[in-house]
Amino acid sequence: TQLLEQSPQFLSIQEGENLTVYCNSSSVFSSLQWYRQEPGEGPVLLVTVVTGGEVKKLKRLTFQFGDARKDSSLHITAAQPGDTGLYLCMTTDSWGKLQFGAGTQVVVTP
Amino acid sequence: NAGVTQTPKFQVLKTGQSMTLQCAQDMNHNSMYWYRQDPGMGLRLIYYSASEGTTDKGEVPNGYNVSRLNKREFSLRLESAAPSQTSVYFCASSARGLGGNTIYFGEGSWLTVV
Repeated sequence: TQLLEQSPQFLSIQEGENLTVYCNSSSVFSSLQWYRQEPGEGPVLLVTVVTGGEVKKLKRLTFQFGDARKDSSLHITAAQPGDTGLYLCMTTDSWGKLQFGAGTQVVVTP
Repeated sequence: NAGVTQTPKFQVLKTGQSMTLQCAQDMNHNSMYWYRQDPGMGLRLIYYSASEGTTDKGEVPNGYNVSRLNKREFSLRLESAAPSQTSVYFCASSARGLGGNTIYFGEGSWLTVV
């Protein structure tokens, strides 16, 4: 079983629509990172959330860390084709090991 | 900025052949990693190195060996390639900050074993 459960696995939307992807766990985390992986590239860090209830914005992307620090969400407003990619959440477990979710594949069509 | 550089980008091997994937980082990070990424399986850790001179097995180490040559370089070797090792391989390094670990990935190596 994965420490981090991401949903949905796949999301296909039209340009201009909004979308939300989720990263959930039964464990409490001190921090959580979101990465985006574009086709043919390695994952790249988007944001780190640390405080329960924290909300961070990166242009049209809004990241939220749950109050209990067990879950996080990524909301994209008015999605564009450039938002297409695999979105991964990552944390460090209690043994100090990096743990990734399986990812949400987002496809935004013009 | 170079960041994490891995070579080769693409490679086709015959079953039983050996090869080494090279990786170097210029960020003075202590920790380095090798992952493989397969459809529906996510990123799976093959081996990691917490510091120069140390290496540890990850989730899927069988069929692979690694060498942490120095602080900058961490290579992955396939001694006898098998079709099951067809995958995309990512080298990465990490730094620990106030917000936890941040991991930096190379651009990937696409390996096909026929």
